[in-house]
Amino acid sequence: DAKTTQPPSMDCAEGRAANLPCNHSTISGNEYVYWYRQIHSQGPQYIIHGLKNNETNEMASLIITEDRKSSTLILPHATLRDTAVYYCIVRPTTNFGNEKLTFGTGTRLTIIP
Amino acid sequence: GAGVSQSPSNKVTEKGKDVELRCDPISGHTALYWYRQRLGQGLEFLIYFQGNSAPDKSGLPSDRFSAERTGESVSTLTIQRTQQEDSAVYLCASSPRYGGSKFFGPGTRLTVL
Repeated sequence: DAKTTQPPSMDCAEGRAANLPCNHSTISGNEYVYWYRQIHSQGPQYIIHGLKNNETNEMASLIITEDRKSSTLILPHATLRDTAVYYCIVRPTTNFGNEKLTFGTGTRLTIIP
Repeated sequence: GAGVSQSPSNKVTEKGKDVELRCDPISGHTALYWYRQRLGQGLEFLIYFQGNSAPDKSGLPSDRFSAERTGESVSTLTIQRTQQEDSAVYLCASSPRYGGSKFFGPGTRLTVL
C-alpha cells in the first residue's frame, strides 16, 4: 500500500481557501487518492476522490500533480464547521481484495474566526 | 434509516467483561467495515464483510475480538474479556459495493475500567 504523509495541523481564516497537502510518493498507477474528514466526536465523512484528473464537488476540489506523487484538497471558502481532522488515503481501484487500509493521523484543520 | 447507526453510543465496562457493539448499515449497502480509533490516533482497520462472502478478519487484534453479520444487514462486534487497551471508539462503515466510498456511523465509545 502507498503511504501518505500530511502535516499534523493547519490553521485557516474563516472565508479563506484552505489548502491541505498530502504526499503519496509511492502511489501505484491503479490507486485512487481519497479524502475523508472527521469532525470532533463524529464518524469520518467522505469528501472526494480522484485518480489523476482534478476533481470538484459541492464540498471541495482535489488537485493531483501530474506525477501523482502529491495532491491538495481545497476547501474554497472555509467555515467554522470545516474544523476537523482531514485524512488523505490511497486505495487500489481494481484490487478490491485489499481493504485493510488504515487512516493515519491526518491534518487537524482549525478555522479561525 | 438515512445513515449508518451504531449502538450503544457509549459503553463503560469493567475489565474482564464481554461487550457487544451493534452496527446498522445503510440499507442496500453490501459492504460493511469495522474500525477502531484510539484517542488522538487514526483509524485502525479491524474487519470487513462483503455480501455473503467469508469476512476478512485479519485486522482483528486478538482472538478476543469477533464479528458477525446477518446477510447484508446488522453486524455485531464482540469483545470478550475486555482489557483496558481495548478502550477506543469503534466505528462502523458501509458502502454500496466493495471498494466504494464509505459512509461512517457515529461510533461507539468504549471505556474499559
